[in-house]
Amino acid sequence: SAVISQKPSRDICQRGTSLTIQCQVDSQVTMMFWYRQQPGQSLTLIATANQGSEATYESGFVIDKFPISRPNLTFSTLTVSNMSPEDSSIYLCSVGGRAGGPYEQYFGPGTRLTVT
Amino acid sequence: KQEVTQIPAALSVPEGENLVLNCSFTDSAIYNLQWFRQDPGKGLTSLLLIQSSQREQTSGRLNASLDKSSGRSTLYIAASQPGDSATYLCAAAGGGATNKLIFGTGTLLAVQP
Repeated sequence: SAVISQKPSRDICQRGTSLTIQCQVDSQVTMMFWYRQQPGQSLTLIATANQGSEATYESGFVIDKFPISRPNLTFSTLTVSNMSPEDSSIYLCSVGGRAGGPYEQYFGPGTRLTVT
Repeated sequence: KQEVTQIPAALSVPEGENLVLNCSFTDSAIYNLQWFRQDPGKGLTSLLLIQSSQREQTSGRLNASLDKSSGRSTLYIAASQPGDSATYLCAAAGGGATNKLIFGTGTLLAVQP
């Protein structure tokens, strides 16, 4: 399995500001994913981030709102831009796709964001 | 478009009882199916992964089955304990280059001591 850490673990932000969430993995991985979990809801995939290429966004999510960086095989960031109260959610990164692996995904502890 | 549903949405059982959580998916062309546990305010812990070619996987008191033809998976928990109380999520992977997970709605389990 992979050990994943996220920073910050939680934050309270004012509307109109931006927050960058960091995701660090203890081993090199091909694929990293960013999910959003709105209050009382299940997880929704925001985008897939592969090293060396542009992130692939799911329907309803755009790069201007959620820019993603993937500078190497162990690190990624997700920025939530121009925040509104509707962005209050838990944001989770996950990893998967180890070479030869079964594509089991492992998740970080999440970042709990509250926008006031 | 893949849709994943879990029933029941919530379940309360006395300690020691065996229980079954259900997961249904609409598109049988899945690569694998994964069961997770989520404690309140926390991230996800992977419990079991079933490949599309497998019928079941076991880990300790947990057993997960997969029936692709009927679009169903079940998670069986034997001899439940209060520490099993959490939300259980299933997720179907569509395969291909992205291996995206589509999550179910979750089952909130409470095991009463």
